[in-house]
Amino acid sequence: DIQMTQSPSTLSASVGDRVTITCRASQTISTWLAWYQQKPGKAPKLLIYRASSLESGVPSRFSGSGSGTEFTLTISSLQPDDFATYYCQQYNSYRTFGQGTKVEMK
Amino acid sequence: VQLVESGGGLVKPGGSLRLSCAASGFAFSDFYMNWIRQAPGKGLEWVSYISPSSKTIYYPDSIKGRFTISRDNAKNSLYLQMNNLGAEDTAVYYCARDRPINSVFDYWGQGALVTVSS
Repeated sequence: DIQMTQSPSTLSASVGDRVTITCRASQTISTWLAWYQQKPGKAPKLLIYRASSLESGVPSRFSGSGSGTEFTLTISSLQPDDFATYYCQQYNSYRTFGQGTKVEMK
Repeated sequence: VQLVESGGGLVKPGGSLRLSCAASGFAFSDFYMNWIRQAPGKGLEWVSYISPSSKTIYYPDSIKGRFTISRDNAKNSLYLQMNNLGAEDTAVYYCARDRPINSVFDYWGQGALVTVSS
């Protein structure tokens, strides 16, 4: 099974900050990686697929990069609506989620 | 696109429960469908998927043998039969659609809470 490891687990940031979250796969997954945003009490929302493709309707301040085993999600200028938990998910072999990264207010 | 789960509730350890997911707004019979769960305060865990024809079904090892996914394309509905439930199965259960080609979860239901407790 492919394991996904996100870092950090929690990130404290301020509005306007550039935020980067890392996701590592236990084996190569090419670019079969997605990122989701989840707010308390809500279902996750797809942000990025195929490692770097922005889902329709998602603000352009979100971007993804990487291939193989190392991936990043970047928020170029954090907005109040972006405080949430973010999950990576591989779909190279079945499906596995990372453990999540909570972006909280500093 | 709308996905609406139902059937959650309180069940005793060792008991059974059947979740349903009613789909609308898209050609349900053309899409892989999934169940994903989230224990209170924890991360997301993929539970199962089923192909449009029901010929391909997958469960991770942690689930295998206790849960059964099924679908009724005529009723635009997805199901999860859960047996021999334990406290570790307490979670919000989401149904989610698989986007073709890129197998990401592009639409999710609101979730159904399953609580296993005596």
